Amino acid sequence: DIQMTQSPSSLSASVGDRVTINCRASQTISSHLNWYQQKPGKAPELLIYAASSLQGGVPSRFGGGGSGTDFTLTINNLQPEDFATYYCQQSSSNFITFGQGTRLQSK
Amino acid sequence: QVQLVESGGGVVQPGRSLRLSCAASGFSFSNYAMHWVRQSPGRGLEWVAVISYDGSIEYYADSVKGRFTISRDNSKKTVYLRMNSLRAEDTAVYYCVRDTISSGFFSNYFDFWGQGTLVTVSS
Repeated sequence: DIQMTQSPSSLSASVGDRVTINCRASQTISSHLNWYQQKPGKAPELLIYAASSLQGGVPSRFGGGGSGTDFTLTINNLQPEDFATYYCQQSSSNFITFGQGTRLQSK
Repeated sequence: QVQLVESGGGVVQPGRSLRLSCAASGFSFSNYAMHWVRQSPGRGLEWVAVISYDGSIEYYADSVKGRFTISRDNSKKTVYLRMNSLRAEDTAVYYCVRDTISSGFFSNYFDFWGQGTLVTVSS
């Protein structure tokens, strides 16, 4: 199986900050990388697909990049509603795997 | 609007069985592959299984292969997860999720999630 490793595991930031979350695949996955946001007690929601495409309805302050094995999720001008846990997920293989998550907390 | 409603969770003893159901509405169910994804505090998000739009193709995570079976009834717009030989490590919230593309292929990422149903395996 393809292993997905996120860093950092947790992150503290303030409203208005720019934050970056990293995701590394154990083998190349081209651009088959997706990002989800999860708030407490809720199901995850798709933010970014195919590494850099914004899902409909997602604010433009969210951005994704990378290809191959290394990927990033960037949030510009952090808003109060962005404090949540973020997961990357590879869709290169039919045996889907997620990163362990990055918890974004208010400083 | 798209809705996915899971049911069938509960407390079950190790070694026993349980069947989860997911009722879909608001989209052409028979056109989409469907997945189950679970989440436990110790293991984060874990993909469990997928079934193709017509039920002809199934894939399973190694952790559940041989114990769990995914199936669907397009006439009832429902997908199922039969879980046998349950273990403590199967304790999790189980989400029914929709694949993103309407075709015979899998995109293997998810645009709609149910609210989840909790399965607790404990004696």
